[in-house]
Amino acid sequence: SQQGEEDPQALSIQEGENATMNCSYKTSINNLQWYRQNSGRGLVHLILIRSNEREKHSGRLRVTLDTSKKSSSLLITASRAADTASYFCATDEETSGSRLTFGEGTQLTVNP
Amino acid sequence: KAGVTQTPRYLIKTRGQQVTLSCSPISGHRSVSWYQQTPGQGLQFLFEYFSETQRNKGNFPGRFSGRQFSNSRSEMNVSTLELGDSALYLCASSLVGYGNTIYFGEGSWLTVV
Repeated sequence: SQQGEEDPQALSIQEGENATMNCSYKTSINNLQWYRQNSGRGLVHLILIRSNEREKHSGRLRVTLDTSKKSSSLLITASRAADTASYFCATDEETSGSRLTFGEGTQLTVNP
Repeated sequence: KAGVTQTPRYLIKTRGQQVTLSCSPISGHRSVSWYQQTPGQGLQFLFEYFSETQRNKGNFPGRFSGRQFSNSRSEMNVSTLELGDSALYLCASSLVGYGNTIYFGEGSWLTVV
């Protein structure tokens, strides 16, 4: 079963705009990771945020984590057409080792 | 450093057959895990291997099995294939699994006809 729920399920924006995706989860976690998947391809790791961190940045990506609300958000700034992909959050629970539980994903379309 | 490598990338099998998928993790990574991705069920964890031992297992029937070799390379096997096994099978590797960044391969597309 899916631990996380992502919101929105689909997002369409224009190049240059910012895109924000949200992820909620149900149990206590150790880490939360965000991945990108282009159609028919594997998952590309974007960023890992630990449960004791509140915010992380990587290039045009900003991830926040609110463990009290069991939620995370991924912000992509100044989006590009190449950012068009599905984005997934994945959590590993404190007792499950490397087992990742994925959300359903957000399909982002960036229009040129 | 080479990424996670999966073979074959695409394959078509007939119901009732079996299939073996292979995964070479990133050099130095000892944890290898497998996931199934389908449109209906999304991404689901199959199992994880560490130092040739299965450390974690998802909720899949016994037809799904795996193993890990001493060089950390891993294989997964699905026996008695069913139409519902058609999916993208993703292999992932990490240094030791717990608490580490987990990297995925490009996946193996399996179609069962």
